[in-house]
Amino acid sequence: EIVMTQSPASLSVSPGEGATLSCRASQSISSNLAWHQQKPGQAPRLLIYGASTRAPGIPARFSGSGSGTEFTLTISSLQSEDFAIYYCQQYNNWPPLTFGGGTKVEIK
Amino acid sequence: EVQLVESGGGFIQPGGSLRLSCAASGFSVSVNYMSWVRQAPGKGLEWVSVVYSGGNAYYADSVKGRFTISKDNSKNTLYLQMNNLRAEDTAVYYCAKQFGSYGYFDYWGRGTLVTVSS
Repeated sequence: EIVMTQSPASLSVSPGEGATLSCRASQSISSNLAWHQQKPGQAPRLLIYGASTRAPGIPARFSGSGSGTEFTLTISSLQSEDFAIYYCQQYNNWPPLTFGGGTKVEIK
Repeated sequence: EVQLVESGGGFIQPGGSLRLSCAASGFSVSVNYMSWVRQAPGKGLEWVSVVYSGGNAYYADSVKGRFTISKDNSKNTLYLQMNNLRAEDTAVYYCAKQFGSYGYFDYWGRGTLVTVSS
């Protein structure tokens, strides 16, 4: 099973500032990585797939990068609606599909 | 518009059984891989099970032998039969559509809460 590790666990950011979230895989997953956003009391929503391709309707301030074992989600100029928990998910070698533990982005 | 609506959650005693349903619209479950993903209170996301378009099914080790995933293509509905429930199965259960045969989830339902407690 591929273990996904996210850092930091939480991040305090002021509106308008940028944020960088990291995700590491226990072995190479090529570019088979997705990012999901989850707001309190809501279902997750797909942001990024293929490590760097935005899902339909996702604003350009969200960008993903990386391949192999190291990945990054960057949010430029955080808006109020971006404060949420972000999960990375690998789909290179499955089942099982595995998620990172999440990074909570909070308002500073 | 793609929609996934789960139902069937509730309060159940340890050792009991529940059947979750996920009614899909806007696409056909017959040609997509479909999964159940759960989230224990205050915890992260955990994949539970997948059913392929052809009907093959796979499970997380934590539920293997106790849960059964299935689908009814004619009703466009996904199911999760959960037997011998344990306290650690307490979670919100999400139905999730995978993009074709890829492993990422492009649509999620709103979830249904299962609470296992005596």
